[in-house]
Amino acid sequence: ILNVEQSPQSLHVQEGDSTNFTCSFPSSNFYALHWYRWETAKSPEALFVMTLNGDEKKKGRISATLNTKEGYSYLYIKGSQPEDSATYLCAFSSSGTYKYIFGTGTRLKVLA
Amino acid sequence: SAVISQKPSRDICQRGTSLTIQCQVDSQVTMMFWYRQQPGQSLTLIATANQGSEATYESGFVIDKFPISRPNLTFSTLTVSNMSPEDSSIYLCSVEAVAGSNTGELFFGEGSRLTVL
Repeated sequence: ILNVEQSPQSLHVQEGDSTNFTCSFPSSNFYALHWYRWETAKSPEALFVMTLNGDEKKKGRISATLNTKEGYSYLYIKGSQPEDSATYLCAFSSSGTYKYIFGTGTRLKVLA
Repeated sequence: SAVISQKPSRDICQRGTSLTIQCQVDSQVTMMFWYRQQPGQSLTLIATANQGSEATYESGFVIDKFPISRPNLTFSTLTVSNMSPEDSSIYLCSVEAVAGSNTGELFFGEGSRLTVL
């Protein structure tokens, strides 16, 4: 059974703080790792699609790294803002399948 | 990209009733995916809806409980039948950004939040 774990489950930070979350996934048969941001009452929105070991991607104040050999990805948010408050999901797909296995998410609350 | 309209956005239902969720995509797509997120759980794939063929259900999900229609390349419905409180969840439909690609990001509807009393 493929399992994707995310930590922490929830997080409160002050505006301006930097923070990071972890996504752990199976290291065998890796194909892609996705990060999504899901704001309340909105659609989950893709942040990054990562496919290569050592990948680092950045979008504004948010960045992500990928280690496929050890099976983890980090998501970093620099200078958190209240609008960053959301649930951050990672999803893993293995080679030979179109299916995505999601973690339970990290709920981030940025306090003004 | 794809814009997905999903309805209803939320509903409160009585035990034993059924509810159909609709999903409309603004472009033609081969596969549409239906997910569920129960409280405190991860997004879990219920089934994949292909136009012109039976939906493919994941382990633990059956057609009698979650019948799916896919009449054309832009529309699908998911019915939650004979509901019980355990069916209280957010239901999401989704499509891939690049059809057939395993690295393509997913686009989601805004979800249907069902509460079963």
